[in-house]
Amino acid sequence: SQTIHQWPATLVQPVGSPLSLECTVEGTSNPNLYWYRQAAGRGLQLLFYSVGIGQISSEVPQNLSASRPQDRQFILSSKKLLLSDSGFYLCAWSLFLGLNTEAFFGQGTRLTVV
Amino acid sequence: SQQGEEDPQALSIQEGENATMNCSYKTSINNLQWYRQNSGRGLVHLILIRSNEREKHSGRLRVTLDTSKKSSSLLITASRAADTASYFCATGNSGGSNYKLTFGKGTLLTVNP
Repeated sequence: SQTIHQWPATLVQPVGSPLSLECTVEGTSNPNLYWYRQAAGRGLQLLFYSVGIGQISSEVPQNLSASRPQDRQFILSSKKLLLSDSGFYLCAWSLFLGLNTEAFFGQGTRLTVV
Repeated sequence: SQQGEEDPQALSIQEGENATMNCSYKTSINNLQWYRQNSGRGLVHLILIRSNEREKHSGRLRVTLDTSKKSSSLLITASRAADTASYFCATGNSGGSNYKLTFGKGTLLTVNP
């Protein structure tokens, strides 16, 4: 069966420090991968999605970047965190083929920038 | 940008009552999905309805889709305290080979025992 791992669960980082959040998927090949951010009491904002290794699409301009060095690995990074980067970050995957597929989410990372 | 908009933003009901949440969207879609999120956790998929379907059932869940009005509703019957969570609609859109899900802001449902 397919599983998705996302870590760490919580993170407190000072302003100006770098960030690296990792997400890996098991049990499937060539998934679509997504990074979402959820601000407190808000909906999910799509940050990045990837349809293959090295292929990253950015949905909104921001202080963050994403990379997909391996088929089932998706990394969210920042060189210098801002206070506004605080939030709940969720990684998700869906099947590559097919137009009617659901997304499977990790348990999220609560990032607090202080 | 946000595609779906849920209504109401918050809903409080008594156990045993039905809960209805609505979702409106703006552009054409391949499907519409509903997800549930317990506080501080990831989202869990509940049900998917395709653009050529009008109604779908899954256990105590009933989803309708009106593509002419660009709206959907989620009905939870005979609610339980364990149904307390945030519920999100998401629209599935494809552009070439890129398939992505766009979420609304959610409805916070509280079921009081």
